[in-house]
Amino acid sequence: NAGVTQTPKFRILKIGQSMTLQCAQDMNHNYMYWYRQDPGMGLKLIYYSVGAGITDKGEVPNGYNVSRSTTEDFPLRLELAAPSQTSVYFCASRPRNTEAFFGQGTRLTVV
Amino acid sequence: DQQVKQNSPSLSVQEGRISILNCDYTNSMFDYFLWYKKYPAEGPTFLISISSIKDKNEDGRFTVFLNKSAKHLSLHIVPSQPGDSAVYFCAATTTSGTYKYIFGTGTRLKVLA
Repeated sequence: NAGVTQTPKFRILKIGQSMTLQCAQDMNHNYMYWYRQDPGMGLKLIYYSVGAGITDKGEVPNGYNVSRSTTEDFPLRLELAAPSQTSVYFCASRPRNTEAFFGQGTRLTVV
Repeated sequence: DQQVKQNSPSLSVQEGRISILNCDYTNSMFDYFLWYKKYPAEGPTFLISISSIKDKNEDGRFTVFLNKSAKHLSLHIVPSQPGDSAVYFCAATTTSGTYKYIFGTGTRLKVLA
């Protein structure tokens, strides 16, 4: 059971480039989330999804987009990367009434 | 507006003693609270949770206390072990909605051998 898998683990982007952070879960969870963690800060919610085809903004959605075409996958798209998007990104999933399970994270640096 | 606050960025405790980590929240709609533990270069892992209908939940060495009137919860670890050294995040959510977790900024616990 792989749980929540994030790829890549590390990435360096140049300002203005775009990329997609991948997140996949094999637990058939309906709810999925993207968080970012900046140094010394908590986890801030970027986007979340309550099921395939349904997504909504979290606390810090600007500069990001998501899609949820299947239950398993919840990719996060960065368009026109900026230094302020340098962070560690965590994807999480959960069933309806229990705690969320997190992936290992993607460390992104924008230079 | 920080809805969930962990005012102690760090805490050092001697092995075998009690560790107490605190968390305050401002949104009275929150009715479910969780503690996550995070090691470096890993994702957060769930530790323990508590519903607002309870004031205490215990799991082995870990106990979470909830004081709804004060909007305060705490995590007690007894006895503390060196392997407990990690960053601890508290999180809050509402169960009548989309279950968005709002996290605090974390407390780095160091257990000294």
